[in-house]
Amino acid sequence: GQNIDQPTEMTATEGAIVQINCTYQTSGFNGLFWYQQHAGEAPTFLSYNVLDGLEEKGRFSSFLSRSKGYSYLLLKELQMKDSASYLCAVRDQWDDYKLSFGAGTTVTVRA
Amino acid sequence: SQTIHQWPATLVQPVGSPLSLECTVEGTSNPNLYWYRQAAGRGLQLLFYSVGIGQISSEVPQNLSASRPQDRQFILSSKKLLLSDSGFYLCAWSDTGELFFGEGSRLTVL
Repeated sequence: GQNIDQPTEMTATEGAIVQINCTYQTSGFNGLFWYQQHAGEAPTFLSYNVLDGLEEKGRFSSFLSRSKGYSYLLLKELQMKDSASYLCAVRDQWDDYKLSFGAGTTVTVRA
Repeated sequence: SQTIHQWPATLVQPVGSPLSLECTVEGTSNPNLYWYRQAAGRGLQLLFYSVGIGQISSEVPQNLSASRPQDRQFILSSKKLLLSDSGFYLCAWSDTGELFFGEGSRLTVL
């Protein structure tokens, strides 16, 4: 099974940078996903890491260290529309079909 | 392009009543299909997944059931709802691992 931990809430100022950490414990790892979910809406895919290192996509970057069971999502140049919940999810090596999700980190961007 | 739709978007049901949520996917064949539930302030809990017609895997014991009568149709049902069934239900599909979610169905059981 999977055990995924991420902070419950974070607050940052418009234009700033925020880093959301995710740690996981798993019997078999086959990839880590980050999703964004605005209140009352469905999650949307942000990034995918399966190898160690940093993946950059515009203002968003995601980092993975498999040996440490650790990932972070970095949001740069924060905008008000980035206020949302960010979900970390891990894919099971032994069951490719399943993603297990953390409880999510609610990010509030203030002017 | 692929699309996924689920309905109804909102439901208010009394305890003990039946439930049927439907989900359809277009633009892809033989997708993996999923039902997740998100309780208020909590993470996504995988309820069921299906890798093909008639193939259903259940992740947690509960009074819900799922069926896949057609390749791109996934249905979540209950014969008698409980208060604890309230939540935000999300259908999703995947082929290579990334999940694509439907719009969600918010169920309130009173």
